[in-house]
Amino acid sequence: QVQLVQSGSEVKKPGSLVKVSCKASGGTFKSYAVGWVRQAPGQGLEWMGGILPVLGSPTYAPELQGRVTITTDESTSTAYLELRTLTAADTAVYYCAREGRYSSNWAMVHFNYWGQGTLVTVSS
Amino acid sequence: SYELTQPPSVSVSPGQTARITCSGDALPNHYVSWYQQRPGQAPVLVIFKDTERPPGIPERFSGSSSGSAVTLTISGVQAVDEADYYCQSADTTDSSLVFGGGTKLTVL
Repeated sequence: QVQLVQSGSEVKKPGSLVKVSCKASGGTFKSYAVGWVRQAPGQGLEWMGGILPVLGSPTYAPELQGRVTITTDESTSTAYLELRTLTAADTAVYYCAREGRYSSNWAMVHFNYWGQGTLVTVSS
Repeated sequence: SYELTQPPSVSVSPGQTARITCSGDALPNHYVSWYQQRPGQAPVLVIFKDTERPPGIPERFSGSSSGSAVTLTISGVQAVDEADYYCQSADTTDSSLVFGGGTKLTVL
């Protein structure tokens, strides 16, 4: 059974960056889509972006393009989310997620496995 | 930007059937997944590819699709089903994903 374990809570200053990790056990990210989803307090789920291995390069939500970078390290089965130029609006719980079966395009992707979430608080 | 539309809330009594809809222009050509999220917990996949149920999800959860709308149906609702439910699909370019705004299911 695949388990995703994320790094711990962070408190950041406005204008800084945060990097959240997501380590997989019982599986890897090698052949499966990985995504990052965030949830602001009291709000819904927001897709941030992800990597679909068959496509090679990451895809990002348009509103975050330029501020976000998603990578994977196959040697450690770890995915990373880096978000730059933080503002109070970035305060949220950040989730990593991985699909359970191979997909050839984003239209087929669904997430069977989720990390426990990482709270990122942006405050001066 | 592309949006998926869900009703903000649905309320049913225990034992009744709850139906949660998700609509979007691209849905006739895209699969939809559904996630259940209880307070303070990570989302859980309950339906994928419009109608398929992952292992371990109770049979009372089912999905259907008709044109530009898909429906998550929970038959014989139980108190434990009270949660937020989100639909998810791909955008019109097939290059990204999008979530619906979420529906709060209240079991009366």
